[in-house]
Amino acid sequence: AQSVAQPEDQVNVAEGNPLTVKCTYSVSGNPYLFWYVQYPNRGLQFLLKYITGDNLVKGSYGFEAEFNKSQTSFHLKKPSALVSDSALYFCAVRDSNAGNMLTFGGGTRLMVKP
Amino acid sequence: DVKVTQSSRYLVKRTGEKVFLECVQDMDHENMFWYRQDPGLGLRLIYFSYDVKMKEKGDIPEGYSVSREKKERFSLILESASTNQTSMYLCASSLYRVHEQYFGPGTRLTVT
Repeated sequence: AQSVAQPEDQVNVAEGNPLTVKCTYSVSGNPYLFWYVQYPNRGLQFLLKYITGDNLVKGSYGFEAEFNKSQTSFHLKKPSALVSDSALYFCAVRDSNAGNMLTFGGGTRLMVKP
Repeated sequence: DVKVTQSSRYLVKRTGEKVFLECVQDMDHENMFWYRQDPGLGLRLIYFSYDVKMKEKGDIPEGYSVSREKKERFSLILESASTNQTSMYLCASSLYRVHEQYFGPGTRLTVT
């Protein structure tokens, strides 16, 4: 069975500082990994994905994520946070051995303070 | 740009009512999904469909049914709404299994 964990309910960071939102996963095959962002009263927006290839994946709005197979992690990062990055972030995984289903983490609320 | 639309942003229904939530996507995607989102629980898959008239149960299908008569449209049905079905419902679509899913704006359903 596939699973994903976001160990932090909330991450607080000052504007201009680097941010990291953590994600770890468990799959039996190869992982397909995704990050989404949700702004208030909106649906989820796709940020980036890892399917295969380079471990560092670049996505929308200056975000990037690093796939680490040995640590089964896919942490979301940004070098310099903006107040407008404040939102709810979801990590998701699909197991290559499974079907079409994505499993989402519980979400991490990012608060960027001026 | 992919567009996924949902029939209502906010809905209030009474216990026991039959509720229809509709989702439409405009990019000819094969796969469509219905999730519910609850605080602290993330998104949980209710049902998905990989083709017209085809459906598969997700993690929490109890109390729900779905219909996909046309490729672009995927409906979620609550046969007899209950208060524990109060939630945010999100529809999504994707082209292939390794592709990202595109989400609609969500329907916040309150059952009283």
